[in-house]
Amino acid sequence: DQQVKQNSPSLSVQEGRISILNCDYTNSMFDYFLWYKKYPAEGPTFLISISSIKDKNEDGRFTVFLNKSAKHLSLHIVPSQPGDSAVYFCAASAGGSQGNLIFGKGTKLSVKP
Amino acid sequence: DVKVTQSSRYLVKRTGEKVFLECVQDMDHENMFWYRQDPGLGLRLIYFSYDVKMKEKGDIPEGYSVSREKKERFSLILESASTNQTSMYLCASSPWRNDQPQHFGDGTRLSIL
Repeated sequence: DQQVKQNSPSLSVQEGRISILNCDYTNSMFDYFLWYKKYPAEGPTFLISISSIKDKNEDGRFTVFLNKSAKHLSLHIVPSQPGDSAVYFCAASAGGSQGNLIFGKGTKLSVKP
Repeated sequence: DVKVTQSSRYLVKRTGEKVFLECVQDMDHENMFWYRQDPGLGLRLIYFSYDVKMKEKGDIPEGYSVSREKKERFSLILESASTNQTSMYLCASSPWRNDQPQHFGDGTRLSIL
């Protein structure tokens, strides 16, 4: 039973446009959400996070939105750049979980010049 | 910057061999994790440790064991390697608080022949 779902395996976007990556979760105990970016043959790199007490967090070109009632979060990248082409993983954790993260299966983003 | 170092980037072993994967972090983090990443399956947690000599099973511990004798070092052991353990193995560390991101090493691509 997947607690964190990324329903789009891939996404293709034109350079300069907005990329929107989506993630759904089922566990209402999750209170901390993260996005990681992964290039081939490298480890995931932490991008941005959001606590459940917020509905938006922004860091440069990256913004994460959290809709708790819908159990949905999204990552917006504006403007998209070819270097953003990577696999993006959504992850979540619950209080008292000793830092354990539950990961989605990832979405491969391709940004075309 | 957090540095998580995995001892090998690429490793080739034979079925039945005992395999050791080593991971060292330099940020005095309490938590350390071992994942494997397979296409279409995302990151799956094998084992984690929240303190020296402490370990907890993750989602897929079968065929693996771990050792944490020192805070900075977390070892993953394949007791008798099998071909279905061919995968990318990722180590991560984080502070004890569950609202802090995990930081990953670059991974070990392990092939079992």
